[in-house]
Amino acid sequence: QKEVEQNSGPLSVPEGAIASLNCTYSDRVSQSFFWYRQYSGKSPELIMSIYSNGDKEDGRFTAQLNKASQYVSLLIRDSQPSDSATYLCAVTGANSKLTFGKGITLSVRP
Amino acid sequence: ETGVTQTPRHLVMGMTNKKSLKCEQHLGHNAMYWYKQSAKKPLELMFVYSLEERVENNSVPSRFSPECPNSSHLFLHLHTLQPEDSALYLCASSQDHSGRTKNIQYFGAGTRLSVL
Repeated sequence: QKEVEQNSGPLSVPEGAIASLNCTYSDRVSQSFFWYRQYSGKSPELIMSIYSNGDKEDGRFTAQLNKASQYVSLLIRDSQPSDSATYLCAVTGANSKLTFGKGITLSVRP
Repeated sequence: ETGVTQTPRHLVMGMTNKKSLKCEQHLGHNAMYWYKQSAKKPLELMFVYSLEERVENNSVPSRFSPECPNSSHLFLHLHTLQPEDSALYLCASSQDHSGRTKNIQYFGAGTRLSVL
């Protein structure tokens, strides 16, 4: 059973702080890694993708991948109340199947 | 707007009803997916279609019947559902299913289904 695990949360940070969201995966041959954001009552929206070890930055978002540790994270700098949402980690294995974690709910306090 | 449109947005049905969910993608993608999202559970992949052929059926009960008449349209036919089938049903599409293009999936807004 290929699994993607995320901290159960919820995570609460003050406005302007760095929010750190973590994800581990069990399939060692996983190839592609994604972070989706889902606002309440809305569909998941892709915000970051990462395919190789290291960091990938896009605006206030940084994705970090460590394949040896089977770990992928998302950092949100200068968190804003509009970042309050559920963040889903998703991983594609060798069979191209996308497996999602349960998600973690982030709340940014004004 | 992701380019993936789902209708209806909300659906209430009795256990003896038959209804269909519709998904249309305007992205020129070749793969389409149905997911089920229940509270406190990960997104569950139900069906995958690639170039109109079903490539995966994730042990979904037969009361859910998918149909993919062409690469732009995907249906989920529902009959004799159970209350535990109440959930958000999400459609997604990607360029292809092989992983060569890194398989980024784009989601529709979903259909919120309530089975009474």
